[in-house]
Amino acid sequence: DTGVSQNPRHKITKRGQNVTFRCDPISEHNRLYWYRQTLGQGPEFLTYFQNEAQLEKSRLLSDRFSAERPKGSFSTLEIQRTEQGDSAMYLCASSYNLRTGPTGELFFGEGSRLTVL
Amino acid sequence: AQSVSQHNHHVILSEAASLELGCNYSYGGTVNLFWYVQYPGQHLQLLLKYFSGDPLVKGIKGFEAEFIKSKFSFNLRKPSVQWSDTAEYFCAWGYQKVTFGTGTKLQVIP
Repeated sequence: DTGVSQNPRHKITKRGQNVTFRCDPISEHNRLYWYRQTLGQGPEFLTYFQNEAQLEKSRLLSDRFSAERPKGSFSTLEIQRTEQGDSAMYLCASSYNLRTGPTGELFFGEGSRLTVL
Repeated sequence: AQSVSQHNHHVILSEAASLELGCNYSYGGTVNLFWYVQYPGQHLQLLLKYFSGDPLVKGIKGFEAEFIKSKFSFNLRKPSVQWSDTAEYFCAWGYQKVTFGTGTKLQVIP
């Protein structure tokens, strides 16, 4: 399968613990996005990368959240000191874009579901 | 804030009925518009998109959408739905990043 891969698919953790999610995008895609989705809502933008550069980060994202894409390939999303409100599905998507052009089709992964007890 | 709004949260139709899902966006400048679909147990995937040109765009599985600039709308349509169209549909817009609406759950009854 050459689609977007995310792991783990499910993570249950206790409040206050740190968690990390990994996303492997489609190999030729230079842009990578992280979204969060809760029940009854659409995907909420968190951040995105063009190659290894993080170009935008949502103001909704607290400083407990950090994302990296060190070599412009896979990306990690870390949540420190998790809170119950962090429980959600974390979605990764990738696309190929010219730097100045509009974003094209986003290819989504299956998501990583986080439950904070 | 710039956003998209979807008016219908849950729609129930019988097979062969016509479908129209509403979507309005608030941004008045250059806008790229999308409809994404999420079938049960599957990941989000693109149905169709509009960047410029013909305001009537056709997507996969017989879906189409019409961009009406004067109404800030990008409604999704299908003349005759099938049971397999049961899914959640998201309107989205954006340029460098994509912002999604809250989604509409469509249930098609055989």
